[in-house]
Amino acid sequence: NAGVTQTPKFQVLKTGQSMTLQCAQDMNHEYMSWYRQDPGMGLRLIHYSVGAGITDQGEVPNGYNVSRSTTEDFPLRLLSAAPSQTSVYFCASSSGHLYEQYFGPGTRLTVT
Amino acid sequence: GESVGLHLPTLSVQEGDNSIINCAYSNSASDYFIWYKQESGKGPQFIIDIRSNMDKRQGQRVTVLLNKTVKHLSLQIAATQPGDSAVYFCAEMTSGTYKYIFGTGTRLKVLA
Repeated sequence: NAGVTQTPKFQVLKTGQSMTLQCAQDMNHEYMSWYRQDPGMGLRLIHYSVGAGITDQGEVPNGYNVSRSTTEDFPLRLLSAAPSQTSVYFCASSSGHLYEQYFGPGTRLTVT
Repeated sequence: GESVGLHLPTLSVQEGDNSIINCAYSNSASDYFIWYKQESGKGPQFIIDIRSNMDKRQGQRVTVLLNKTVKHLSLQIAATQPGDSAVYFCAEMTSGTYKYIFGTGTRLKVLA
């Protein structure tokens, strides 16, 4: 049981490049979410999913896309990277939206 | 090292003392609350949760208190240990919104 895994751990992009941050969980959790964490701030919700095929926007969705084709995977796509997207990104999952979330180890993204 | 939390409020306590970390939440309709612990370079880790039909909940060495009248949440850690040094976040959710809102965090430093 690996829990929530995220790849890559570190990534450097140039402005305008696109990429996908991977997130997978092996706990059969329905609820999954993506957050970004910036210095001096708490986690801010980017997108979330309540089950396969269902996604919705969080607090800061602009510049990001998600899909949920399987229960296990919830990738986050940056369409055209901007320096403002430099942050640490966390994926989380839980058995339901009102239950404890399990977080992955994070991806540190730098956009130059 | 971890750059998150550069300007966080800091609580310093002596090892063995009790710690109290406070959180003011924003939405009077929020009905589910979680406390997380985040160590440097890691993802947040669940500590304890409480639903709005309760005022108090106890775990192992931790107690969460909820005051809905003033929209205040607190986390009490008994007999604080060096391993408790971390950043602590509260998070709130309103049922049906599926969106967590995180506080900015408090850094706990345990002094030997």
